[in-house]
Amino acid sequence: DQQVKQNSPSLSVQEGRISILNCDYTNSMFDYFLWYKKYPAEGPTFLISISSIKDKNEDGRFTVFLNKSAKHLSLHIVPSQPGDSAVYFCAASSGAGSYQLTFGKGTKLSVIP
Amino acid sequence: EADIYQTPRYLVIGTGKKITLECSQTMGHDKMYWYQQDPGMELHLIHYSYGVNSTEKGDLSSESTVSRIRTEHFPLTLESARPSHTSQYLCASSDLQDSTDTQYFGPGTRLTVL
Repeated sequence: DQQVKQNSPSLSVQEGRISILNCDYTNSMFDYFLWYKKYPAEGPTFLISISSIKDKNEDGRFTVFLNKSAKHLSLHIVPSQPGDSAVYFCAASSGAGSYQLTFGKGTKLSVIP
Repeated sequence: EADIYQTPRYLVIGTGKKITLECSQTMGHDKMYWYQQDPGMELHLIHYSYGVNSTEKGDLSSESTVSRIRTEHFPLTLESARPSHTSQYLCASSDLQDSTDTQYFGPGTRLTVL
């Protein structure tokens, strides 16, 4: 059973508008969440993260929101740019001592000029 | 940002061949990982290492093996490649002192076994 779920395989957004990518998790032991961006034929690039003690973290055009009670996080990209077109992976960690990240299946974002 | 390198980037090989995928990082990270990823699917951890002479199997069963003789180097070997091994292989590293376990990835190797 998947512990990290990204239920939207794809998303299309007009350039300049907001992109919202969603992620749900089931494991209450997760206490750190990360978003990665991946272009075809390249490795994932770390984008932004959030600790479970926060509900929001912002870095430029990227903001991640965490709702612990709903076990839900989202990545907002404002404004969206054509270069943002990529697959976005949500990942979760159970923190210190953990040896791995648990990844979702990814959401393919297409930003239309 | 970590500097992590993988070679080759692309490899097409026949069934039964032995192959080694190379991964090196220059950040001095203790922890290193190998993931396998197919299109539209999540990344699956196949091997990881906490440091020199440490290697462990990940959640996804794999016929590959790894070694960690030097901190910066974490090669993956397939003794006898099969078409079912066709996939993208991603190497990553992280700082043992980083409790967030943020991992930094190399560019990947796209392996095709005919």
